[in-house]
Amino acid sequence: NAGVTQTPKFRVLKTGQSMTLLCAQDMNHEYMYWYRQDPGMGLRLIHYSVGEGTTAKGEVPDGYNVSRLKKQNFLLGLESAAPSQTSVYFCASSRGGTQYFGPGTRLLVL
Amino acid sequence: EDKVVQSPLSLVVHEGDTVTLNCSYEVTNFRSLLWYKQEKKAPTFLFMLTSSGIEKKSGRLSSILDKKELSSILNITATQTGDSAIYLCAVEGGTSYGKLTFGQGTILTVHP
Repeated sequence: NAGVTQTPKFRVLKTGQSMTLLCAQDMNHEYMYWYRQDPGMGLRLIHYSVGEGTTAKGEVPDGYNVSRLKKQNFLLGLESAAPSQTSVYFCASSRGGTQYFGPGTRLLVL
Repeated sequence: EDKVVQSPLSLVVHEGDTVTLNCSYEVTNFRSLLWYKQEKKAPTFLFMLTSSGIEKKSGRLSSILDKKELSSILNITATQTGDSAIYLCAVEGGTSYGKLTFGQGTILTVHP
């Protein structure tokens, strides 16, 4: 089992560019989450999904969109990247309760 | 709005010391409190505490939930350099099942 995987591992964008981060899990979990982690701020929830075809806003959703077309995949999109979106992005999945995290994507927006 | 606060924000100790990390929370409809350890990459799960399991122990690490004080502590005895990490506390509650609210984390540095 690979667990939770994320692609890409690292990306540099220019302001205004768009990109999609992919999260995949092979544990048949219903719940999936996208977080961002900035120094001194812990993990902040961007969006989450409680099942295929459903998504919901978290604590810091502005500037991001998500889709969950397949149970095993959760995509995070940035339509027009801004320097404030420079961060480390983590995906997680769970059946409820304990969440299992991917290795993270480091994004730099210039 | 759910809130989780950890203290201290950072801590520097020497190998062999015992440390206590704190986590306090304000959340409606509390269901569980989780501790994670984060080294260079992804957070890894340590403990889950609930109303029916308020104390957990694994090796040199132990954790207690105080539902009356709305807080938890994570103890690490005989610390080692490999314990250096960010320790994250998270709480599940509210109306959205499965959604965690994280604290800021405590950065622990253990010197040889």
